[in-house]
Amino acid sequence: SQQGEEDPQALSIQEGENATMNCSYKTSINNLQWYRQNSGRGLVHLILIRSNEREKHSGRLRVTLDTSKKSSSLLITASRAADTASYFCATDLLKTSYDKVIFGPGTSLSVIP
Amino acid sequence: EAGVTQSPTHLIKTRGQQATLRCSPISGHTSVYWYQQALGLGLQFLLWYDEGEERNRGNFPPRFSGRQFPNYSSELNVNALELEDSALYLCASSFTTGVHNSPLHFGNGTRLTVT
Repeated sequence: SQQGEEDPQALSIQEGENATMNCSYKTSINNLQWYRQNSGRGLVHLILIRSNEREKHSGRLRVTLDTSKKSSSLLITASRAADTASYFCATDLLKTSYDKVIFGPGTSLSVIP
Repeated sequence: EAGVTQSPTHLIKTRGQQATLRCSPISGHTSVYWYQQALGLGLQFLLWYDEGEERNRGNFPPRFSGRQFPNYSSELNVNALELEDSALYLCASSFTTGVHNSPLHFGNGTRLTVT
């Protein structure tokens, strides 16, 4: 089973609206990251939030982290057609000797002009 | 600053052949990750190299292997190719994960097609 899972799987909104995506995970983490992937391309890092942080902003992006619920949300405000992409949350497991970054299955966002 | 570069961009092989994919990390990055992304699916963790050593591997058979060279570039080898190996293979690099807070920088991937 996935360490992180995004919800919803797909989201379609009108340009100018806000888009909210959620991520749930199962085990304790060091940090949680959000990435964007345009079709057939590599992933682009959007924002990293540490386990001791609750909220972080970057431009039109707002990320929250609730470690008690093991969940995070990504809010994109005033969406644009260029925001159309897949969005992934990624977590690294809290282990003493090594870790690896695990991605959820992603949310596919379509912003209609 | 040059980003993560992967080669080739596209690779077509037949079943049973071997494929070699290459990745050059961002200068200064010592960790290299490999992920497989089958069409329409999420990223599946394959391998993680740091300082020339394999640190972790995902749930893939041994015919998926790789190595990291002294200049931190990396190679992924897939032996005895099967049709279901067709996917986008993504390489990412970061500073040593001992910091635990280093984002991954991705290349644009190698699209492997097995016929």
